[in-house]
Amino acid sequence: GAGVSQSPRYKVAKRGQDVALRCDPISGHVSLFWYQQALGQGPEFLTYFQNEAQLDKSGLPSDRFFAERPEGSVSTLKIQRTQQEDSAVYLCASEAGASDTQYFGPGTRLTVL
Amino acid sequence: KNQVEQSPQSLIILEGKNCTLQCNYTVSPFSNLRWYKQDTGRGPVSLTIMTFSENTKSNGRYTATLDADTKQSSLHITASQLSDSASYICVVSANDYKLSFGAGTTVTVRA
Repeated sequence: GAGVSQSPRYKVAKRGQDVALRCDPISGHVSLFWYQQALGQGPEFLTYFQNEAQLDKSGLPSDRFFAERPEGSVSTLKIQRTQQEDSAVYLCASEAGASDTQYFGPGTRLTVL
Repeated sequence: KNQVEQSPQSLIILEGKNCTLQCNYTVSPFSNLRWYKQDTGRGPVSLTIMTFSENTKSNGRYTATLDADTKQSSLHITASQLSDSASYICVVSANDYKLSFGAGTTVTVRA
């Protein structure tokens, strides 16, 4: 595709539910990033993949958060037993190479009730 | 404490006027500094990327400056247009991939 796509765009979950957020990066981009953006704040780093390898997951807030990119393209961010504090916009970005421009998707707005 | 501080938090300008946004950072070591534009409900879009050795870079009506000694950057918007209304985010990279984002400056351009 022409850019990074994310689905769903909006997700409402009841507290305790599991959710899965999908990211389709730009074809051929080696690097993929997940960020969490709270209202009125800049994005916060969650995790980074280089191809299928998850090289940094230091930003994941708890062990309820899990990300994978099994074939080095599409990535899924899973949140188990969602809590209200998980409500945020989750942004995915991809990058052709190190220190290159990061291209962001539109984000998934997660609301946990 | 956030390692990237932006000011002002928000500003309103009239169409056609210029404005300058400020960014101070403490991220170290320093790899590059980026400015992104984020429209409401959308992901950020890259405007400029500057490395340590660059002190100015332009992208159309956007001009970014960098003073690596004082760890300050600015983004100047010339002849603002209504479409410039957005949040402008300063982003500093300490290495190849990990980015530190500022909270952004919300710019509103009025006719």
